[in-house]
Amino acid sequence: GAVVSQHPSWVICKSGTSVKIECRSLDFQATTMFWYRQFPKQSLMLMATSNEGSKATYEQGVEKDKFLINHASLTLSTLTVTSAHPEDSSFYICSAPGGQASFGGFFGQGTRLTVV
Amino acid sequence: AQSVTQLDSHVSVSEGTPVLLRCNYSSSYSPSLFWYVQHPNKGLQLLLKYTSAATLVKGINGFEAEFKKSETSFHLTKPSAHMSDAAEYFCVVSSSGGSNYKLTFGKGTLLTVNP
Repeated sequence: GAVVSQHPSWVICKSGTSVKIECRSLDFQATTMFWYRQFPKQSLMLMATSNEGSKATYEQGVEKDKFLINHASLTLSTLTVTSAHPEDSSFYICSAPGGQASFGGFFGQGTRLTVV
Repeated sequence: AQSVTQLDSHVSVSEGTPVLLRCNYSSSYSPSLFWYVQHPNKGLQLLLKYTSAATLVKGINGFEAEFKKSETSFHLTKPSAHMSDAAEYFCVVSSSGGSNYKLTFGKGTLLTVNP
């Protein structure tokens, strides 16, 4: 089946630095990828939709300059958390849609970001 | 527009007893419905999905869900809970009427299984 690989699985960074998270579709091409954020004991909240070759679409309330998304190829989307602060600490998950509504999504393993 | 309501934020059962996790949905289009499970600090694993075929859907690890259009429900059940079932469960809806088949997640139900 389709596999989405997300890297790194966890990262600790200092406040003020930037962190890049990669999401790769391993055996299929993904023109679209979704980036979610999950706070402890809460559900997944869609942050943005990454589109290959064009600008990402951000959900209301998500800072575009804070969370930079690049989708330069059909198999790779990246999320960069710029000038990270402790409040950015969270679990970030990417997914690629299945091509039909009935396919749901193929999810990466998630990245636990801790900003100290 | 679409939405999902998981009626219980926390369900606690004893090992070997039945599990019921409740989910109601709303959708402007014919929905596809999913249940995902998430273990601590892990990604999401698909348990089962409804895609307009059989209304009773069987998934992995002995889980089932029944799509009831009249009640707009998609409750998840398992006859006998196992300790390894302890996790967070998400009910998710996707509608083809939207673009890119966005998924809308419920708030999740934490299942604890007591020995």
